Amino acid sequence: DAMVIQNPRYQVTQFGKPVTLSCSQTLNHNVMYWYQQKSSQAPKLLFHYYDKDFNNEADTPDNFQSRRPNTSFCFLDIRSPGLGDAAMYLCATSRPPGGTAYNEQFFGPGTRLTVL
Amino acid sequence: AQSVTQLGSHVSVSEGALVLLRCNYSSSVPPYLFWYVQYPNQGLQLLLKYTTGATLVKGINGFEAEFKKSETSFHLTKPSAHMSDAAEYFCAVSEGNTGKLIFGQGTTLQVKP
Repeated sequence: DAMVIQNPRYQVTQFGKPVTLSCSQTLNHNVMYWYQQKSSQAPKLLFHYYDKDFNNEADTPDNFQSRRPNTSFCFLDIRSPGLGDAAMYLCATSRPPGGTAYNEQFFGPGTRLTVL
Repeated sequence: AQSVTQLGSHVSVSEGALVLLRCNYSSSVPPYLFWYVQYPNQGLQLLLKYTTGATLVKGINGFEAEFKKSETSFHLTKPSAHMSDAAEYFCAVSEGNTGKLIFGQGTTLQVKP
């Protein structure tokens, strides 16, 4: 089945120790998104890629970076995690926006990050 | 700018009762509207979507929603709640040509036996 995969599902890191979360997709979608979701809150968009074109949200901290080496994979790098970065991180994909059926986003299961 | 408001952060119903989760949106252009469900420690799963055409949209798991332009609403309903419906529900509107989703605050649905 075509899907969005996130690894690992649970990640524990130490305060200030860089961590990388990964996302892969078999949907062949052009657009990939990274969201941060804290407890009892809606997902908050951090950035997205439209093919190789990177789009950062204005309020995303510099501590968060992303890489997309090819269509299938996208990585979220947190350079120096703080306690406030503990959250669920969700990856999603979609076809390019602009058409009637194109805006549906397909989500992965998420990675829950714990910062000690 | 587009926005979404979900009325009621927590809704509690008895098993077998009607489920009604409210969503109002603000959009200057014809909206694309979505309902997603999230189970604990899972990602978001699409329940249903409205893009164009029929205003009553049927989704998975017996849910449906009606787009009412005059009321700027897109309420989610299910005639008979099941225990497995207990989850977090998010209403979202798509932001124009960017494809970004603007989420509501979410509604936690509790189903009591």
